Formats: sequence, structure tokens, C-alpha cells
Amino acid sequence: AQRVTQPEKLLSVFKGAPVELKCNYSYSGSPELFWYVQYSRQRLQLLLRHISRESIKGFTADLNKGETSFHLKKPFAQEEDSAMYYCALRRRSGTYKYIFGTGTRLKVLA
Amino acid sequence: DAGVIQSPRHEVTEMGQEVTLRCKPISGHNSLFWYRQTMMRGLELLIYFNNNVPIDDSGMPEDRFSAKMPNASFSTLKIQPSEPRDSAVYFCASSLAGPHQPQHFGDGTRLSIL
Repeated sequence: AQRVTQPEKLLSVFKGAPVELKCNYSYSGSPELFWYVQYSRQRLQLLLRHISRESIKGFTADLNKGETSFHLKKPFAQEEDSAMYYCALRRRSGTYKYIFGTGTRLKVLA
Repeated sequence: DAGVIQSPRHEVTEMGQEVTLRCKPISGHNSLFWYRQTMMRGLELLIYFNNNVPIDDSGMPEDRFSAKMPNASFSTLKIQPSEPRDSAVYFCASSLAGPHQPQHFGDGTRLSIL
């Protein structure tokens, strides 16, 4: 079964501390993986996708097929990073259905 | 492009009333998704369409919920009759169907059933 697991509902860190938001997936094929961010009362927006291998707002995520993980990392958290973060998996073929994790709320404390 | 447009932004209505949520996807996108977001359950996929055809409606909670996509530029999600437990934020999203295509979300409709 296809599944995305975000084990932490809430993650609190102090400003300037490193951040790691965990995402594990189960999927028999080669998945496409994404991170979406939702700031307070705003729409979800794409943060990054594994195919791009880029850094957005200081965040990076590496696909680890051995550990079936796609953790989101940032070396120094900022207060404006406080938001809800969703990891999502998408099949590469067929119906292109997305599967979202339950989300992790990140709170960056001053 | 204005992005995915949803209406209304907020809806407050009494239990038992019919509720219709509307969505206009990004022009050219051929996949459309309806999600429900609550504190308890996070983001749940209700239904999605590919080229206006419903592909997977397994997330629709019960027969009170129905969704249509009469053409490529418009979709509705209807709840009839509505119940207080339907209170949530409902998001519409669209995407292209090809590889590595991300979803683009609307602002959502915040629905409150009294």
C-alpha cells in the first residue's frame, strides 16, 4: 500500500537551531516526492520536489531510497519558517494520484 | 494566471442545508483534486478528476457528498444535507498529468455548519 508517514505532529525549535522534518514513504515503484508548506490561513504551496534537487528558502530534502525517506532540513531555522509542512508522494504513471502525510507543524521560537 | 480559484472563501450555514463549493482550475491543467482539511485528520483526498472524468472517489465520506466536473474549467463539490461534522476547510487543487508535475492549490473554502 502507498503511504506517507510524518511521525511528528508538532516540532518546536529555537531560532537559529537546525530543523529536520521527517517523512517516510512506502511505495513499490519509483515515487515522486514533494514538500508543501502552508503558512497560517494561506493556501498550500509547493516548497520543493525531489527531482529538482534545489534549495528553497534554505530548505533541502534528499530522497533516500534505501531508507524510503525524504526528510526536510534547514541548518538555521527562522521565525518565518513557522508553518504546517506536508510531505506528498505521487505515482509516476497511471493515475498520478497524490498521497499526503498528516503534516508537521513547525514552530520556531524566538 | 490567477491560479486555482475557489468560491466562496467562507460559508456558514445551518445543518440540513445544501452546500455547493466551486473551483476553477488553472487553464490547461487536466487533473483536479478536492481535499478536506481538519485538525484531527489533516489533509484528506476526497475525489480527483482526470480530463473531467472522476478517477478515484474512494475518499468521499458518504452519499451526502457529490462532485462534478462538467468541463475543463469548472468543478463543484456538493454536500446535501450538510451536518456539523462536515465543518472543515475544503481545498481544490489542479495539476498537469505528466511526470513531476506539482499540484497548485486554491485558497480553500472555510465551511462551518451550525
